[in-house]
Amino acid sequence: QKEVEQNSGPLSVPEGAIASLNCTYSDRGSQSFFWYRQYSGKSPELIMSIYSNGDKEDGRFTAQLNKASQYVSLLIRDSQPSDSATYLCAGTDSNYQLIWGAGTKLIIKP
Amino acid sequence: GAGVSQSPSNKVTEKGKDVELRCDPISGHTALYWYRQRLGQGLEFLIYFQGNSAPDKSGLPSDRFSAERTGESVSTLTIQRTQQEDSAVYLCASSLAGQSYEQYFGPGTRLTVT
Repeated sequence: QKEVEQNSGPLSVPEGAIASLNCTYSDRGSQSFFWYRQYSGKSPELIMSIYSNGDKEDGRFTAQLNKASQYVSLLIRDSQPSDSATYLCAGTDSNYQLIWGAGTKLIIKP
Repeated sequence: GAGVSQSPSNKVTEKGKDVELRCDPISGHTALYWYRQRLGQGLEFLIYFQGNSAPDKSGLPSDRFSAERTGESVSTLTIQRTQQEDSAVYLCASSLAGQSYEQYFGPGTRLTVT
């Protein structure tokens, strides 16, 4: 069964540090990847999408995709308490169906 | 522009009753998705509509669940004879085209079955 796996956490990071969230996927044919942030009691909010190997930066966020190793990561620089949330990783498989990870809970400690 | 909207935001119903949940996608988005999220759990895919193609109903948990979409606009998710295990947040999302495109979520409908 095709899977997208994330460590459920919680991942605790001090304020101002870099938070590193990781996601692995089983289908080597996966093409498109997405990171979403979900605050408690709210719906998921798109942070970034990444389609090609390498890094993609947007403000304090950097998504990294390594198709050879089948992982995608999200780095959050200068972490703020407002970054505390659950981060969901999702990727399309070789049939273009989106597979969701279960999410990693991130806690930024002031 | 306007995002995805859902109604009602909250619904409390008695066990055995039918409920209907509504989703208005972003204008121009041809793809629409329904998900269920139980408390503290991940997203559970229910159904996917893409343009005029037959919907992907592979995630519907039982025949009590059904969904319709009129063209590329509003969708309704219907749950018949609700059970307590149906209590969850039901999320709708839309995307420009298929599942390779970014999905944008509505605020969800919190369903409580008593």
